[in-house]
Amino acid sequence: NAGVTQTPKFRVLKTGQSMTLLCAQDMNHEYMYWYRQDPGMGLRLIHYSVGEGTTAKGEVPDGYNVSRLKKQNFLLGLESAAPSQTSVYFCASSQHTGNQPQHFGDGTRLSIL
Amino acid sequence: DQQVKQNSPSLSVQEGRISILNCDYTNSMFDYFLWYKKYPAEGPTFLISISSIKDKNEDGRFTVFLNKSAKHLSLHIVPSQPGDSAVYFCDIRNTGNQFYFGTGTSLTVIP
Repeated sequence: NAGVTQTPKFRVLKTGQSMTLLCAQDMNHEYMYWYRQDPGMGLRLIHYSVGEGTTAKGEVPDGYNVSRLKKQNFLLGLESAAPSQTSVYFCASSQHTGNQPQHFGDGTRLSIL
Repeated sequence: DQQVKQNSPSLSVQEGRISILNCDYTNSMFDYFLWYKKYPAEGPTFLISISSIKDKNEDGRFTVFLNKSAKHLSLHIVPSQPGDSAVYFCDIRNTGNQFYFGTGTSLTVIP
């Protein structure tokens, strides 16, 4: 069981470029999440999805878009990358909220020059 | 406004001693409280949880305590081992799809 897989693991972009981060989970989870982690800031929720075809904004959604066309995949897009988006991005999934823990991928380290 | 605070960014403990990690929250309507552990270059992994109807939950060397009146959550690790060196996040949530992560505490267990 792979759990949650993030692609790519590392990427360097120039300001203004676009890219998509892919998250795939094989646990048949309903909920999926995208976070960014910055020094001293903990995990901040960017967008999340409570099921296939649905998305919702989190704490820091500006500059990002997401799509959940298939239950197992959650894509995070940067349309025009900015240096402020340099961060480590984590994807997670869970069966639902309540007391169900989230299962995280190993992260994507993204640098915007 | 920060709903959840981990006021100690770092903590160092000697191997074999107790590690105590703390988390404070502001809203009394939270129902579930979870702890995650994160190693470098890996994603966080779930460690232990407690619901608001309990004040203690134990799993091996790990015990989580909940003081609802003080809005305080703590994780005790006894005895601490070098492999416990990691960043620990608290995750506090209610039944209405709202959840908040703390900023993390970096634990170093010194051999």
